[in-house]
Amino acid sequence: QKEVEQNSGPLSVPEGAIASLNCTYSDRGSQSFFWYRQYSGKSPELIMSIYSNGDKEDGRFTAQLNKASQYVSLLIRDSQPSDSATYLCAVNQAGTALIFGKGTTLSVSS
Amino acid sequence: DTAVSQTPKYLVTQMGNDKSIKCEQNLGHDTMYWYKQDSKKFLKIMFSYNNKELIINETVPNRFSPKSPDKAHLNLHINSLELGDSAVYFCASSQALAPYEQYFGPGTRLTVT
Repeated sequence: QKEVEQNSGPLSVPEGAIASLNCTYSDRGSQSFFWYRQYSGKSPELIMSIYSNGDKEDGRFTAQLNKASQYVSLLIRDSQPSDSATYLCAVNQAGTALIFGKGTTLSVSS
Repeated sequence: DTAVSQTPKYLVTQMGNDKSIKCEQNLGHDTMYWYKQDSKKFLKIMFSYNNKELIINETVPNRFSPKSPDKAHLNLHINSLELGDSAVYFCASSQALAPYEQYFGPGTRLTVT
């Protein structure tokens, strides 16, 4: 069974620090990797997508992918209290459903 | 403009009733999805439609029946509601099937009493 694993947290970081969120996946054929942010009571919001090995940066967010290790991570630089949310890792192959991890709760303290 | 919208936002009903949730997207996407998020916040795919054709049908009781009248709409009808159906149901859409990015609607919180 295809699985996506995340540490549920909570991950607590002080304001201004770097938050590091990690995700591993079981299906070696996975091709697309996504990070969603979900505030309590709200819908998942796409913040990053990554398709090839290496780093992808977008503002304060950097996604890192290592297909050999079946590992994807999200770094949030200069963390803000508004970044406090649950971060969902999602993975799929072409034409298949997104498989979500159970999410990591991030708490940024001011 | 709302990209993916769902109605209703909240739905409270009794066991045994039949209810529907509607979803519309104005992104011009070809593919739409229904996801269920349970009380433990685990998000799981239920169905996927591409150009009105059912593509993905995960292990879901046949009390759940999706219908896509056109590419912009995907509805979910649930018969004989059970307590365990209580969850938040999200609609999503993407330009096409994977690997395209999916965008979620605001969700419908269903409570079965």
